[in-house]
Amino acid sequence: SQQGEEDPQALSIQEGENATMNCSYKTSINNLQWYRQNSGRGLVHLILIRSNEREKHSGRLRVTLDTSKKSSSLLITASRAADTASYFCATEGASGSRLTFGEGTQLTVNP
Amino acid sequence: GAVVSQHPSRVICKSGTSVKIECRSLDFQATTMFWYRQFPKQSLMLMATSNEGSKATYEQGVEKDKFLINHASLTLSTLTVTSAHPEDSSFYICSAWKNTDTQYFGPGTRLTVL
Repeated sequence: SQQGEEDPQALSIQEGENATMNCSYKTSINNLQWYRQNSGRGLVHLILIRSNEREKHSGRLRVTLDTSKKSSSLLITASRAADTASYFCATEGASGSRLTFGEGTQLTVNP
Repeated sequence: GAVVSQHPSRVICKSGTSVKIECRSLDFQATTMFWYRQFPKQSLMLMATSNEGSKATYEQGVEKDKFLINHASLTLSTLTVTSAHPEDSSFYICSAWKNTDTQYFGPGTRLTVL
């Protein structure tokens, strides 16, 4: 079973608004990663945050990690219709390499 | 970035037949590859970890005799779904690990068993 839980399961916003997705996990991790998946396609790696980091930015993406609460958030600023996709968090456990995926958030950005 | 390909991208087969899916790392050597299965509107479930030159490690609940994995070289891993049934219909995705923090994912293979 997946250890990651994401909320919301689905999010619908207007273009230009910010989108925030949350992810919780249960065990110790080396790092947490966020991926994007367009319908019926493979995964695109967005950003990785290590367990000793608290915040990371990449373009319009901002990721936070709170290891005390075992949670992470992904913020997409100034969203665009092209951001419409499913977003998954994935944790790499302390033993390395193996990823455990969250349930995902389906983001719809309306033009 | 690193490129991982999968072939075929889509396959339709009759119940009882076997289907082979290839996963290739095109521009790097991958000692470890992973196979995932994804049902519609669900997350990715890890099926097995494939290490070059050794037997694959299967996750709990995944039948190793049904899902045969061969990692014959540092750039190729294959997944064979044996005696496929309609319930095996799914999206199969591989990833390759480059000894960094990041796994590089293939584009996926849509399997439909009639």
